[in-house]
Amino acid sequence: NAGVTQTPKFQVLKTGQSMTLQCAQDMNHNSMYWYRQDPGMGLRLIYYSASEGTTDKGEVPNGYNVSRLNKREFSLRLESAAPSQTSVYFCASRDRASKGGQYFGPGTRLLVL
Amino acid sequence: SQQGEEDPQALSIQEGENATMNCSYKTSINNLQWYRQNSGRGLVHLILIRSNEREKHSGRLRVTLDTSKKSSSLLITASRAADTASYFCATDDRGTSYDKVIFGPGTSLSVIP
Repeated sequence: NAGVTQTPKFQVLKTGQSMTLQCAQDMNHNSMYWYRQDPGMGLRLIYYSASEGTTDKGEVPNGYNVSRLNKREFSLRLESAAPSQTSVYFCASRDRASKGGQYFGPGTRLLVL
Repeated sequence: SQQGEEDPQALSIQEGENATMNCSYKTSINNLQWYRQNSGRGLVHLILIRSNEREKHSGRLRVTLDTSKKSSSLLITASRAADTASYFCATDDRGTSYDKVIFGPGTSLSVIP
């Protein structure tokens, strides 16, 4: 099992460019999450999807959109990147029924110039 | 504001000593989780304690939960240099059917050999 995978691992964007961060999990989890982590800080929830077909805003949703493509995949889109979105982005998943611990991907480092 | 907050922000101890980190949260929860993050890596789930539990053990980890004070503590006994990492607590949110999971700012632990 690969667990949670994220692509790309690293990306440099110019202000105003757009991009989509991809996340996939092979654990048959219902719930998936996107977090951002700024240097020396904790994780802040951007969006989450409790189950296939639903998405909800987290703590810091402005400037982002998400798509729950199917049960396995949950993508995060930056329509017009800003320097304030420079961060490390983590995707996570967990089993909704048991509400157990989350499984995290390795992260995507994004630099917006 | 974040659901959980940890203290201290940073902790430095000698190898073999015990490390205690505390977490406070604000709303009703279903469970509280602790995670470890090694520098530059994704988060790893350590232990989960449910709201009807008061104490839980896993190896050298001991977690307590006091729902009346909305607080939890993580004790790492006989610390090792390999325990050097950041530790985060996370809570789910009763108001979102426990689907939304929020992290605290974390405690940075340094274990000196």
